[in-house]
Amino acid sequence: DAGVIQSPRHEVTEMGQEVTLRCKPISGHDYLFWYRQTMMRGLELLIYFNNNVPIDDSGMPEDRFSAKMPNASFSTLKIQPSEPRDSAVYFCASSSLAGGGNEQFFGPGTRLTVL
Amino acid sequence: QKEVEQNSGPLSVPEGAIASLNCTYSDRGSQSFFWYRQYSGKSPELIMFIYSNGDKEDGRFTAQLNKASQYVSLLIRDSQPSDSATYLCAVKEAGNMLTFGGGTRLMVKP
Repeated sequence: DAGVIQSPRHEVTEMGQEVTLRCKPISGHDYLFWYRQTMMRGLELLIYFNNNVPIDDSGMPEDRFSAKMPNASFSTLKIQPSEPRDSAVYFCASSSLAGGGNEQFFGPGTRLTVL
Repeated sequence: QKEVEQNSGPLSVPEGAIASLNCTYSDRGSQSFFWYRQYSGKSPELIMFIYSNGDKEDGRFTAQLNKASQYVSLLIRDSQPSDSATYLCAVKEAGNMLTFGGGTRLMVKP
């Protein structure tokens, strides 16, 4: 299994631009999570999906952030417009309820820099 | 606001020693606790999880849970330089969500 796949691995953009981060979860996993990690705030959960349905988006910082999961093998996190304070590493993770749901498998992350 | 607290470190131990990493949590109703390891520039990976009070051992790693004190710890025996990383404590909330602590940076010196 290829594990959780994220793209791009690095993104540098200018303030005000739209940014789209992509994630392919492990095949068969029914939970998908988006996290953001910064030195100041650590690893924060932004939103998670169960069977492609958003369950909790209380961690999404503001309306500039949106996430979708159109099917079981693809999710996007969009920031529009981006701001310098959005600079962080964004991780996608997936897990399987059938597997006990205990282990979340993390992707390699996308390092976002907003200038 | 549910909180998970860890000392940021760095915690420095000599090779071969026992490293002790600690974590406290605020939600007395929490049931499941996880330790993740994160190497610099990499993603977190699960080391072990624990549900019940007491100790759980897996190789050189032992997780300890005390729900009355709302305290969970990770012991690493015979520490190796390759154990140098940031260790993240996480508490499982309703609906499969995890709340992470800020992490403790461990440095194992040869």
